[in-house]
Amino acid sequence: DQQVKQNSPSLSVQEGRISILNCDYTNSMFDYFLWYKKYPAEGPTFLISISSIKDKNEDGRFTVFLNKSAKHLSLHIVPSQPGDSAVYFCAASETGTASKLTFGTGTRLQVTL
Amino acid sequence: EADIYQTPRYLVIGTGKKITLECSQTMGHDKMYWYQQDPGMELHLIHYSYGVNSTEKGDLSSESTVSRIRTEHFPLTLESARPSHTSQYLCASSRLADYNEQFFGPGTRLTVL
Repeated sequence: DQQVKQNSPSLSVQEGRISILNCDYTNSMFDYFLWYKKYPAEGPTFLISISSIKDKNEDGRFTVFLNKSAKHLSLHIVPSQPGDSAVYFCAASETGTASKLTFGTGTRLQVTL
Repeated sequence: EADIYQTPRYLVIGTGKKITLECSQTMGHDKMYWYQQDPGMELHLIHYSYGVNSTEKGDLSSESTVSRIRTEHFPLTLESARPSHTSQYLCASSRLADYNEQFFGPGTRLTVL
């Protein structure tokens, strides 16, 4: 049973436009959410996180929104750049579980010129 | 900057061989993790550790074993490799407290013939 779902396997966006990546979760005990970016043949790199006491967190071009009632989070990248082309993973954890992360299957973002 | 290393990066080996995948971090992190990822799929936690002499099994059953004799070192061993073990193995570490991101190594891509 997949507890974290990324239903869009791929997304193509023009350079300069907004990229929106979506993630849904089913476990209501999750209280910390993270986004990772992964290039081929490399490990995931941490991008941004949000705890369940917030509904928005910003870091430069990256903003994560959390809608707890809908069990949904999204990552906005504005403006999108060609270097943002990668696979983006959503992950979630629950307090007291050794920070174990449950990952989604990823969304491949392609930023075109 | 995250300093977590994995060797080898790529390994092709025959069935029945014993292998050890190395993982080291220089950040002094207490928690360390091993994930397994197949192409196009989510990362699955197979082992984790709170600190020296602590090892726990993750959410995905694995025939591999781990040890944590030193804080910085968390090797994973397969006593008898099989083709079903072919996958990418990712090591990560984090600080002890909750709500901390995990830093990932570059991964080891294992192919068992």
